[in-house]
Amino acid sequence: QKEVEQDPGPLSVPEGAIVSLNCTYSNSAFQYFMWYRQYSRKGPELLMYTYSSGNKEDGRFTAQVDKSSKYISLFIRDSQPSDSATYLCAMSFSVRQLTFGSGTQLTVLP
Amino acid sequence: EAQVTQNPRYLITVTGKKLTVTCSQNMNHEYMSWYRQDPGLGLRQIYYSMNVEVTDKGDVPEGYKVSRKEKRNFPLILESPSPNQTSLYFCASSLWGRGSTNEKLFFGSGTQLSVL
Repeated sequence: QKEVEQDPGPLSVPEGAIVSLNCTYSNSAFQYFMWYRQYSRKGPELLMYTYSSGNKEDGRFTAQVDKSSKYISLFIRDSQPSDSATYLCAMSFSVRQLTFGSGTQLTVLP
Repeated sequence: EAQVTQNPRYLITVTGKKLTVTCSQNMNHEYMSWYRQDPGLGLRQIYYSMNVEVTDKGDVPEGYKVSRKEKRNFPLILESPSPNQTSLYFCASSLWGRGSTNEKLFFGSGTQLSVL
């Protein structure tokens, strides 16, 4: 079993839809949780960062962490075609090593 | 412009022919790392470095070497490449190492390596 599980998709939604992306994990020691966005032929870029449990909002993006269920989510409101990318969850228990999910490919149709 | 620069972007080679992928960052970051990205497996860490002359193995170090002689450079060396090392490689850097836990990773644009 992988330490971090992420549905690879692909996920296709119409413009304006609310998108929910999720990851589950098995290592209860993880305490730093991140979402990276990766456009085609580019390196990943940090989208959201959360420490421990709770919610964090940044514009149209909301990250949620439920440590009791070992489950993290990223919500995108009013999705735009420019949101089309692969979204990678990542988590760690120390600053030295991140464990990434395999990524979910999202397409927002105009 | 703050960036992580990898070269080359694309590389095709043959089994056993030593190669080096270069990585350089201009942000004075102490932490640097190499990842490989494979379909269905996501990003897996190969090696990382917390500072000059300090390197450590990640999750998949076999068949790779690194060195950190200068702060800005972190080359990835494949002494004898094999076809199972065909992958998309990313270098990344961060300010991690100064006690901050909220420093994001900056990634390069990637190197697509094919080993025939």
